[in-house]
Amino acid sequence: DAGITQSPRYKITETGRQVTLMCHQTWSHSYMFWYRQDLGHGLRLIYYSAAADITDKGEVPDGYVVSRSKTENFPLTLESATRSQTSVYFCASRTTGGEKNEQFFGPGTRLTVL
Amino acid sequence: KQEVTQIPAALSVPEGENLVLNCSFTDSAIYNLQWFRQDPGKGLTSLLLIQSSQREQTSGRLNASLDKSSGRSTLYIAASQPGDSATYLCAVRQGLRAAGNKLTFGGGTRVLVKP
Repeated sequence: DAGITQSPRYKITETGRQVTLMCHQTWSHSYMFWYRQDLGHGLRLIYYSAAADITDKGEVPDGYVVSRSKTENFPLTLESATRSQTSVYFCASRTTGGEKNEQFFGPGTRLTVL
Repeated sequence: KQEVTQIPAALSVPEGENLVLNCSFTDSAIYNLQWFRQDPGKGLTSLLLIQSSQREQTSGRLNASLDKSSGRSTLYIAASQPGDSATYLCAVRQGLRAAGNKLTFGGGTRVLVKP
């Protein structure tokens, strides 16, 4: 299907475990983003990527690792999950930096860390 | 640092009434502004994007205005319907020099349209 897909949609894990959230987009957009959404904090940027093999930190990168070996995929890894990382995670993409270009979001992954 | 505020946090209107949603931002040097809709448990759906050089943008019953100098945008939804019930978020994008020209989001306005 065209667009952005995220997997899994729901995940329950335990403190200390490694978790990887997957994001795939079919538009060949240059930019990809990971956000987390929490009550009281809204949407906050974790990491972003301007192109394959180019990634950079956002507002709240601690405890997360990203990679982007292919344009269409942008996985987010929690190396050692903590309860504070319980959240809803959204992946997003945008074609380029142009002023007209909208940002599109995936359906989200709800992660619970016990 | 850019800050985006949406007031009120929640709004309830009877069906048929026009909706007016407000968004304010502190740094007027924006690249564009985007309005999103989010249904409970779902992702964000893009509604409208206004470029920094534009004053307004329209799509069907939706009209968004932008006043950069005063740091404000307003989303108007005409003749509201129960299906318009959702949370509406605005987000501003800084220029290319900003980190990934990332979006900064407001906290959202939760809208309930009563039949």
